[in-house]
Amino acid sequence: GQQVMQIPQYQHVQEGEDFTTYCNSSTTLSNIQWYKQRPGGHPVFLIQLVKSGEVKKQKRLTFQFGEAKKNSSLHITATQTTDVGTYFCLDNTDKLIFGTGTRLQVFP
Amino acid sequence: DTAVSQTPKYLVTQMGNDKSIKCEQNLGHDTMYWYKQDSKKFLKIMFSYNNKELIINETVPNRFSPKSPDKAHLNLHINSLELGDSAVYFCASSLRQGANYGYTFGSGTRLTVV
Repeated sequence: GQQVMQIPQYQHVQEGEDFTTYCNSSTTLSNIQWYKQRPGGHPVFLIQLVKSGEVKKQKRLTFQFGEAKKNSSLHITATQTTDVGTYFCLDNTDKLIFGTGTRLQVFP
Repeated sequence: DTAVSQTPKYLVTQMGNDKSIKCEQNLGHDTMYWYKQDSKKFLKIMFSYNNKELIINETVPNRFSPKSPDKAHLNLHINSLELGDSAVYFCASSLRQGANYGYTFGSGTRLTVV
C-alpha cells in the first residue's frame, strides 16, 4: 500500500546546528503538508506545498517540494531548544497519510 | 477559546469495557477527523466526516463507531476495549473537505486499556 517514509527517524543536534528531515512517498502527491508535534502535545500545522519544486520559508524553516512531487524536505537553520519535537509530513490526498515522523532533540 | 476540544484528556479502563470520547470544534469547519497515534508515534487516520456524512472509514475494527450529531461534533465510541486499543486519539477539523486546507488538532485523549 501507499507509504510515506521520513528519514531520519531520530536526530540529536547541538543548539545552533542545522537539521533536515526528508519525506518520501511511493506515489506522486497532489500536495504535502508539514506538522510539528511538541513532546506531549498535538500536531500543529506548519505549511502546505502544492507546486512541483516549490520552496517556502518561515523564519529559520525552509520547506521544499520535489520536482517529481514524490518527496519533500524541511530544513531548520541554527536550531534552538524550542525546535524540539516530532516533525511529520502529510500526504494530503485522498487517504491523508502521515509520514513516519522525525524526532528532533536539541541540546543546549 | 479552545478551537478543537476533546474530552476526556485521559481515560484508563479495563478490557471489555465500552467507552466514548467526545470532540467539539468551534471553528465553523465542515470536516472532522479521528486519528490514532500509537506508542511509536505513528499517526493513522481512522474516520473522516464532512458535514455529518462519513467520508473516510479506514480499516478500523467495527468496535469503533463514530457519531456526528452535527458538523461541530464528532464523537468516537469504542466497544469491547482491547489492550491494543491503548493509544492517543486525536480529533481534528479542517475548513472544507479537500486538499487545500490545514488540519487543526485537538489536544488528544490518552486511552489506556488494562
